[in-house]
Amino acid sequence: AQKITQTQPGMFVQEKEAVTLDCTYDTSDQSYGLFWYKQPSSGEMIFLIYQGSYDEQNATEGRYSLNFQKARKSANLVISASQLGDSAMYFCAMREGGTGYQKVTFGIGTKLQVIP
Amino acid sequence: EPEVTQTPSHQVTQMGQEVILRCVPISNHLYFYWYRQILGQKVEFLVSFYNNEISEKSEIFDDQFSVERPDGSNFTLKIRSTKLEDSAMYFCASSLSREAGSPLHFGNGTRLTVT
Repeated sequence: AQKITQTQPGMFVQEKEAVTLDCTYDTSDQSYGLFWYKQPSSGEMIFLIYQGSYDEQNATEGRYSLNFQKARKSANLVISASQLGDSAMYFCAMREGGTGYQKVTFGIGTKLQVIP
Repeated sequence: EPEVTQTPSHQVTQMGQEVILRCVPISNHLYFYWYRQILGQKVEFLVSFYNNEISEKSEIFDDQFSVERPDGSNFTLKIRSTKLEDSAMYFCASSLSREAGSPLHFGNGTRLTVT
């Protein structure tokens, strides 16, 4: 089974609108961390936001927020007030306690395009 | 803000040649990683490194690959005899700890092209 599932290969959003990028995960660990990374066309991987499995509140970082629904094992990224510079690939990722937190596993990504 | 630096940004090599990809992790980080991303595909874990030894490696990380921390700052990935299918973007990453909430900070990557 896939550890991280991102079902939206591509998304379009109008500038200044909000967009939600979906992510579901699969783990039997009680302790884990969920991350979102942004990869612009230039190729670098930029850490955006983190949510811990024990965190009761949804994480927020500026225009990014993480809609964490533990029972559904989903960790959707919400980008508010989209900007042209938000056009990029977005990867959901997970770090599990059972592996000794050694590695982070990534989903296949969602390509977001912001339309002027 | 401290960052992970990787050199070179692009490396072209002939099949069968050895390549060394170099990385300088964030100075106070203790855990180091290599990932690769074949063009347009997912980001794949290769290896993690802590306390001067490999702590975990994936099936991709076979005998052709090795990692080393030759001094207090550099972290290298060596591919002994490159194959065409090794062509990919290679990312180095580091993290402060191995707690669940410790994010990996990535370098800008080295694009390896094997001809």
